[in-house]
Amino acid sequence: KAGVTQTPRYLIKTRGQQVTLSCSPISGHRSVSWYQQTPGQGLQFLFEYFSETQRNKGNFPGRFSGRQFSNSRSEMNVSTLELGDSALYLCASSGGQGARAFFGQGTRLTVV
Amino acid sequence: ILNVEQSPQSLHVQEGDSTNFTCSFPSSNFYALHWYRWETAKSPEALFVMTLNGDEKKKGRISATLNTKEGYSYLYIKGSQPEDSATYLCAFEEGDSWGKLQFGAGTQVVVTP
Repeated sequence: KAGVTQTPRYLIKTRGQQVTLSCSPISGHRSVSWYQQTPGQGLQFLFEYFSETQRNKGNFPGRFSGRQFSNSRSEMNVSTLELGDSALYLCASSGGQGARAFFGQGTRLTVV
Repeated sequence: ILNVEQSPQSLHVQEGDSTNFTCSFPSSNFYALHWYRWETAKSPEALFVMTLNGDEKKKGRISATLNTKEGYSYLYIKGSQPEDSATYLCAFEEGDSWGKLQFGAGTQVVVTP
């Protein structure tokens, strides 16, 4: 069974640009969540999608958005990048509430 | 603000020694408590998901206990091995949280031969 796949693995962008990250969940999982990790911070929840609907959102500005497709693949977009957006972005898929989450290897975003 | 707290922040353990560390979380609206192991350059990997007060889980030399009434969980590593070196994360899942896990900052464990 293929794991969670995130692309790209590494990305360097300039302030003001926008970026799109992709996540393909484990087959059969309809829930996809996104997390941000910055130095000194734990994993911070961005949002969760289930069957193409955003069900939950963390405390991030509106520059952070996402979507989910009918095949459960998800994308997150960050517009007008700031230096502070430099982070590791992880996505996770799960089979539902109380189920273990399966994480991708992450996308390391560097904003210069 | 992290409602989920882990201590200690880091641990250095001699190979063969046993160790344990703590995760504290809100005691209200509890649904589940997750433990993950995160090795360098890898993805976080689930160890346990616990939902019942008093629950105990075991996987090889690693075990965990859960007290939902007082809001804490312990993770134990028996006879630590160098391959146990990793950051151990706990995550609190509220009822109706829809995919949101609230993570602690982690306990970094270094096992030296």
